[in-house]
Amino acid sequence: DAGVIQSPRHEVTEMGQEVTLRCKPISGHNSLFWYRQTMMRGLELLIYFNNNVPIDDSGMPEDRFSAKMPNASFSTLKIQPSEPRDSAVYFCASRGASGSSYEQYFGPGTRLTVT
Amino acid sequence: GNSVTQMEGPVTLSEEAFLTINCTYTATGYPSLFWYVQYPGEGLQLLLKATKADDKGSNKGFEATYRKETTSFHLEKGSVQVSDSAVYFCALSQAGTALIFGKGTTLSVSS
Repeated sequence: DAGVIQSPRHEVTEMGQEVTLRCKPISGHNSLFWYRQTMMRGLELLIYFNNNVPIDDSGMPEDRFSAKMPNASFSTLKIQPSEPRDSAVYFCASRGASGSSYEQYFGPGTRLTVT
Repeated sequence: GNSVTQMEGPVTLSEEAFLTINCTYTATGYPSLFWYVQYPGEGLQLLLKATKADDKGSNKGFEATYRKETTSFHLEKGSVQVSDSAVYFCALSQAGTALIFGKGTTLSVSS
């Protein structure tokens, strides 16, 4: 099993540019989560999907952030326009169906730097 | 709401020392409890889990017991190694919701 795949691993962009982060969950998993990690705020849930449907997006910072899951094997997190305060490591995680004790499997993360 | 509180770090130990990282939680009902580990530059990896009261999760010499009476899930290891240096996160999940994490505890082990 390849695990959760994220791309790119590193992204450096200028303020005002659009950034798109990508995630491929583990095959067969039906829930997908986007987290953001910073030194100041730790790990924060941004949004999660169940069967491709957004369930909780209360952690999305503002309208500049959007996430989609067009099918069971792909999700994107878009920031437009980006700002320096968006600099963080963004993690994607996936989880199997209920009965799996709710453990999540994380990708390696995308380190975003906005200058 | 649900929350997880874990001890502040960093924790600095010598190789072969005993490790305890405290974790307490607030939740209604019976959450599942987890410890995740993050090595430098990597994502989070599941270290161990427990799904009901009095369960003991264990992996790679680490252990944690789900204590409902004290709402705790403390991580322990009898003899740490330099390779255990990492950030450790306690987390809970309930009824299939997203994980709620503690702030993480940095462990540094020197030889």
